Amino acid sequence: GAGVSQSPSNKVTEKGKDVELRCDPISGHTALYWYRQSLGQGLEFLIYFQGNSAPDKSGLPSDRFSAERTGGSVSTLTIQRTQQEDSAVYLCASSFRLRPYEQYFGPGTRLTVT
Amino acid sequence: QKEVEQDPGPLSVPEGAIVSLNCTYSNSAFQYFMWYRQYSRKGPELLMYTYSSGNKEDGRFTAQVDKSSKYISLFIRDSQPSDSATYLCAMSAQSSASKIIFGSGTRLSIRP
Repeated sequence: GAGVSQSPSNKVTEKGKDVELRCDPISGHTALYWYRQSLGQGLEFLIYFQGNSAPDKSGLPSDRFSAERTGGSVSTLTIQRTQQEDSAVYLCASSFRLRPYEQYFGPGTRLTVT
Repeated sequence: QKEVEQDPGPLSVPEGAIVSLNCTYSNSAFQYFMWYRQYSRKGPELLMYTYSSGNKEDGRFTAQVDKSSKYISLFIRDSQPSDSATYLCAMSAQSSASKIIFGSGTRLSIRP
């Protein structure tokens, strides 16, 4: 079946602009995760959605970052007033609720802030 | 100190060699241990996961967990050039299984 998809694959934006990144999880996966991967670094947890529960936002680095998940499926990560340090690959993953250790990742969105 | 430490490499070995990749961790509450493979400009792909201690084998891959030493390993037998990638260890606690902590990854290159 179809895997996790993300769009756009690449995004170049000017400092101070807002950006929206989209994630479409695997059908049937109720859990959705956003991570950030900077060059040569591991994955940094950002936010976690599970069904209709309140999201775990504990990894969001500042209030410029927000995310929503509509209808329990597609999710959008929004970064307002982008800064150069926001440049990274943003990865989305999904899993079944009871199998969070089996996450399936999308290809990521490479964000460059100039 | 990071919760999960992983040697970034790069590690270069000849084709056919046995590869050993390792991570250490500090949180004794970790119970789930995962290994992901990430090719350049792709998302990570789950290779294996282990719950608690012990070994798990899947084809040419073997994962080992030593909780007493807080040390996990991934062995690759008969390594192939297609195994060239970055390998990320990851782990989480029973109480917060959705909060996965990743190592920074080891870059592996298999020379033909």
